[in-house]
Formats: sequence, structure tokens, C-alpha cells
Amino acid sequence: GAGVSQSPRYKVAKRGQDVALRCDPISGHVSLFWYQQALGQGPEFLTYFQNEAQLDKSGLPSDRFFAERPEGSVSTLKIQRTQQEDSAVYLCASSRLGRGVIKNIQYFGAGTRLSVL
Amino acid sequence: AQKVTQAQTEISVVEKEDVTLDCVYETRDTTYYLFWYKQPPSGELVFLIRRNSFDEQNEISGRYSWNFQKSTSSFNFTITASQVVDSAVYFCALSEESGNTPLVFGKGTRLSVIA
Repeated sequence: GAGVSQSPRYKVAKRGQDVALRCDPISGHVSLFWYQQALGQGPEFLTYFQNEAQLDKSGLPSDRFFAERPEGSVSTLKIQRTQQEDSAVYLCASSRLGRGVIKNIQYFGAGTRLSVL
Repeated sequence: AQKVTQAQTEISVVEKEDVTLDCVYETRDTTYYLFWYKQPPSGELVFLIRRNSFDEQNEISGRYSWNFQKSTSSFNFTITASQVVDSAVYFCALSEESGNTPLVFGKGTRLSVIA
């Protein structure tokens, strides 16, 4: 596809349930980012991959959050034992790594809205 | 630490009015990048502009213009002759020298353009 694709668009989970959110980056994009956006707030960084390597996970709020990108393309953000405070929109972005003006523009997907009841 | 402040939470204007969205940033880096993104109701963040810290030239793209002033650490965004389709939440963001690094976002400004 032409853009970053995220699925599902909406997810309702009962407290304590595990969830998995998927991100398909733009083809050929090396870098992939996950952000969390609470209602009425700006996105906040969670974690970052370059190819399959997770270079920074400093933004993950707890050890219940886990992200992977095993083949350097699709990424999955997993949240274990969901809590109400995990309710937010989870945004994925990808960017091309390389020389040139466009190398560090992050292009975003439409996000997954997670509601934990 | 890096920080972006968008003091205007919500702005409402009548169609065809000009509107300026303010952005003030803090960083210790000498080289950094500033961005504006638009978030329409569909939720996807749409890239509008990137500016690096060495380029203080103002930029105009159609009805959009940006005023970058290092002296005041500001990167303001003006929409001329606003249209209803401009209604969205606008985010200013900052990234460090290396680029291709996590973005630090402001809290956003919700713009409503009324017909």
C-alpha cells in the first residue's frame, strides 16, 4: 500500500485481557516508531526500530508493553493484562533511512483506538 | 530535555480569516528539526513541513506559511484565508540532531473554521 497501515482500527478489551496491535510500514522504510496518544494530548514516543533491531524502548510505560519487528517490516505492539489507563490511540510511523532531504520525515498511520473496559 | 509548547488549546475562526498557530520549543541541541503535522478527524497525522535549525528562512506553501525564529525559539504556522477543510488538530514537533529519531510533540491546537 501507499501509506502506513494499522489494524485493527478499533479494539475494545476487558481489563486484564492481552491485545496485539499491528503496523504495516511503507514499503522500503527502514525505521518504525510507535507512539501513544491519550485523549486531547499529543503523541508520546513508546519505542523505535531500525530494521528488526529495537534501538530505543525508553518510552514503554511498563513491562506489560512489548513490541517486535522480527523480519524488519511488519511490527506488533503487544499489551499484556490491559488496564484502563492503557486506553489511548496507538500510532505507528515509518521513515526511510538514508541520504537526502526526506530521510527523517515520519509518516503516520491512522492509529488503533484501544478502549479498556 | 526537549519540550514543545503549544499554548493555544483551541482556536475558532470564521472562514476566510487568517489564523496563526503558535509553537515554542526548548532544546539543548545546536542542530535539530522542527515539524508541523495536521490531524484531521480520521486520526492520521499528515506531515506539513520540516525545518532544520540552520534554515531560518520563512516558507510559504499556498495558503500556509511558517515563521521560524531561533532568537525566540518559536516556529509559528499561519493559515491565510482559512477554509472549513482546515479544521483539524495541528501539532508542532521537535527531533534531535540525528534526525530519524523520536519526535517530541506539543499538545496540539484544535482549529475550527466556521462557514
